[in-house]
Amino acid sequence: GDSVTQTEGLVTLTKGLPVMLNCTYQTTYSPFLFWYVQHLNEAPKLLLKSSTDNKRTEHQGFYATLHKSSSSFHLQKSSVQLSDSALYFCALRNYGSSGNKLIFGIGTLLSVKP
Amino acid sequence: NSKVIQTPRYLVKGQGQKAKMRCIPEKGHPVVFWYQQNKNNEFKFLINFQNQEVLQQIDMTEKRFSAECPSNSPCSLEIQSSEAGDSALYLCASSPQGNTGQLYFGEGSKLTVL
Repeated sequence: GDSVTQTEGLVTLTKGLPVMLNCTYQTTYSPFLFWYVQHLNEAPKLLLKSSTDNKRTEHQGFYATLHKSSSSFHLQKSSVQLSDSALYFCALRNYGSSGNKLIFGIGTLLSVKP
Repeated sequence: NSKVIQTPRYLVKGQGQKAKMRCIPEKGHPVVFWYQQNKNNEFKFLINFQNQEVLQQIDMTEKRFSAECPSNSPCSLEIQSSEAGDSALYLCASSPQGNTGQLYFGEGSKLTVL
């Protein structure tokens, strides 16, 4: 069945450094991938989405490119800020179900230190 | 701020008690989802609706949970007989018509079962 894999549980970085959070997926359908961010005690919010192969999508300084050849949608930022500390979830739209259900990865906690 | 409104933010129940949570989806969004986010931050899909009709639900939801989305009233998710393993954050999300798959989440109802 469809699945999403995020390999890092916790990433700790110093402010100003670049970050890449890994996301790979498995699906037999045409992939539609999302990154959601969840700050402490807040609702998860959409950060990025893409269904276009090899096209970079950007928002709020974060960017990701869907690569169907490697089944990946890694999240990157060139310079992290303290306010980027949050949980980041990669999600895959599940075509096999009704109503556009999303399958989420286990999440990566990004902790940015001064 | 989230436009999906969930109440209550916190609830504490004893084992065997009923636990009921409510959700007002974003205006104009006909599709509503319930997810359970456990203490490890993992998302588990529970059920989704389009207008008042159930689209899909998992076995657990079918057996111990009841959920509805009546017209002109908040959606609700009720656990008939709470168990310790039900302690989690219950997230409601809504989605507009169309096929984007993007979900708009509420801040969740945190259930603690003693």
